[in-house]
Amino acid sequence: DAKTTQPNSMESNEEEPVHLPCNHSTISGTDYIHWYRQLPSQGPEYVIHGLTSNVNNRMASLAIAEDRKSSTLILHRATLRDAAVYYCILKGRGSTLGRLYFGRGTQLTVWP
Amino acid sequence: DTEVTQTPKHLVMGMTNKKSLKCEQHMGHRAMYWYKQKAKKPPELMFVYSYEKLSINESVPSRFSPECPNSSLLNLHLHALQPEDSALYLCASSQLGGGSGELFFGEGSRLTVL
Repeated sequence: DAKTTQPNSMESNEEEPVHLPCNHSTISGTDYIHWYRQLPSQGPEYVIHGLTSNVNNRMASLAIAEDRKSSTLILHRATLRDAAVYYCILKGRGSTLGRLYFGRGTQLTVWP
Repeated sequence: DTEVTQTPKHLVMGMTNKKSLKCEQHMGHRAMYWYKQKAKKPPELMFVYSYEKLSINESVPSRFSPECPNSSLLNLHLHALQPEDSALYLCASSQLGGGSGELFFGEGSRLTVL
């Protein structure tokens, strides 16, 4: 599975937008870009995924670079509950099994 | 029901004990997973089951023995563990097929081996 690179940590103030970057320069044409987050003392939870086009859902937006070598998860207004480790993961379209291989992720701290 | 339920939430065991972790889902998912997560590290894949058959074993020591008795249940049998096996054990499930499906995770079972 192709590798992703994320900053170890980022900080934000409450109610401000947060842009979490992810580099995936070795992405293949059939890899989906997935984002999960893990709140303290909980299992990871799905946030969003995309293939080529930008995506929006109730939790976040995903902006994918035109060459697909990087992407950005956007939280439009951070809340204290958004403090978590955010993982950017590539998942092959041809993968029958949905397994995910997690990288180190970005620890997001949100200040009141 | 979009929940994956794991029991017990906490488990303390000695190195000579035999214990089991249990995972249950009722979303009709045919793929189930065990992950291990050490403190301040990302989850590491251990096993993958598809249609109740073991599909992937990521070179996990035999003291961990998975079992999938039916499409809703996944067990992890533990025997002769070492203190370094202390970790959070996460179960997940998903639909099979394609790169777009999401995994649903339980809250985990926190294991301490004395």
